[in-house]
Amino acid sequence: EAGVTQFPSHSVIEKGQTVTLRCDPISGHDNLYWYRRVMGKEIKFLLHFVKESKQDESGMPNNRFLAERTGGTYSTLKVQPAELEDSGVYFCASSLPGQGARDLDSFFGQGTRLTVV
Amino acid sequence: AQKITQTQPGMFVQEKEAVTLDCTYDTSDQSYGLFWYKQPSSGEMIFLIYQGSYDEQNATEGRYSLNFQKARKSANLVISASQLGDSAMYFCAMREGRGNQFYFGTGTSLTVIP
Repeated sequence: EAGVTQFPSHSVIEKGQTVTLRCDPISGHDNLYWYRRVMGKEIKFLLHFVKESKQDESGMPNNRFLAERTGGTYSTLKVQPAELEDSGVYFCASSLPGQGARDLDSFFGQGTRLTVV
Repeated sequence: AQKITQTQPGMFVQEKEAVTLDCTYDTSDQSYGLFWYKQPSSGEMIFLIYQGSYDEQNATEGRYSLNFQKARKSANLVISASQLGDSAMYFCAMREGRGNQFYFGTGTSLTVIP
């Protein structure tokens, strides 16, 4: 069974450009999460989809970030226009409908390393 | 306030020795879960061990054990008999009962020395 897949693995863009990150969750996983780790800091929650609906987007830093999950399958995270402080590693995770804190079946992708120069 | 605190940015351990990675947490929920993940240089996040807030015994998974001290709100990871392949970044995380998102610490970079 394929795990959570993220594309691209690395991206280097100039300030002001647009970048789109993609996450393919495990098939059948309704929950999809985006996280970000800025260098040297903790991994921070960005948002949570349940199927195609945004359940919680409280972690999105500003309106330059747009996440979509059309059809409840894969998700994209677009940064437009990118700024230097957006550099970091963006992780995607997916899981089946949750059991709250005891839900162990969260699987992470390998992350996309974004560098804005 | 930080929900997960990892105070050790970097740690070194001799091969075959045991090492403890520290983690403290902050929550007002009665029901929560504590997790440790390993992130090798390849980037993926690998689940290691889980401790539930109502679990009375410390969790163990092979060479990994979680030293859970509820009153102190600490959930330290103990790796016994360290191996070279244990060199990686280690993240402590918490999930609260009322939510689905993880709260992560800043991570500890562990280097195992031959």
